[in-house]
Amino acid sequence: GDSVTQMEGPVTLSEEAFLTINCTYTATGYPSLFWYVQYPGEGLQLLLKATKADDKGSNKGFEATYRKETTSFHLEKGSVQVSDSAVYFCALSRNTGGFKTIFGAGTRLFVKA
Amino acid sequence: GAVVSQHPSWVICKSGTSVKIECRSLDFQATTMFWYRQFPKQSLMLMATSNEGSKATYEQGVEKDKFLINHASLTLSTLTVTSAHPEDSSFYICSASRTVDTEAFFGQGTRLTVV
Repeated sequence: GDSVTQMEGPVTLSEEAFLTINCTYTATGYPSLFWYVQYPGEGLQLLLKATKADDKGSNKGFEATYRKETTSFHLEKGSVQVSDSAVYFCALSRNTGGFKTIFGAGTRLFVKA
Repeated sequence: GAVVSQHPSWVICKSGTSVKIECRSLDFQATTMFWYRQFPKQSLMLMATSNEGSKATYEQGVEKDKFLINHASLTLSTLTVTSAHPEDSSFYICSASRTVDTEAFFGQGTRLTVV
């Protein structure tokens, strides 16, 4: 079945450091790929998405490129801030009689001042 | 936009009572809604898929008699946790999509604590 694997956390970085959170997926067909962010005590917020191969999703300085050849959708940000501290979920969605979203385990990011 | 709202945002209830959580699509009609559960520091696990006007489809291992789902209109789905116990304490999140083949949008979640 479909699955999403993302790097284990927590990831601890200093402010202004470069961030990469790896994500790979397994799915038949052509899923849409997403990154969601969850701040402490809150629900999910869509951070960015890509719906087809080679698409690059970007938002708030974060970006990720849909790589079909490597089945990856790694999240990157050039300079993190303390306010980026949160849990990041990689996810895929495919129409299987409804757009079920399959989530990765989540990666907790701590950014130190 | 596509806004999905859950109510309440948090609820505390006594063991043995039932709790209803609402999921509303505020600015669109949702044919399909999904319910997820998130344990502390874990990922979201799909519980069930509900389509307007029909019975929900539950994922393996989810007790349908304990987690009652009703999707009576195109803008509202409800999840009722019946005879709640402390192990039901969790974060419940819904998502909604306009049609069977469109993207789903997430609510802000409901934190349930059973004491």
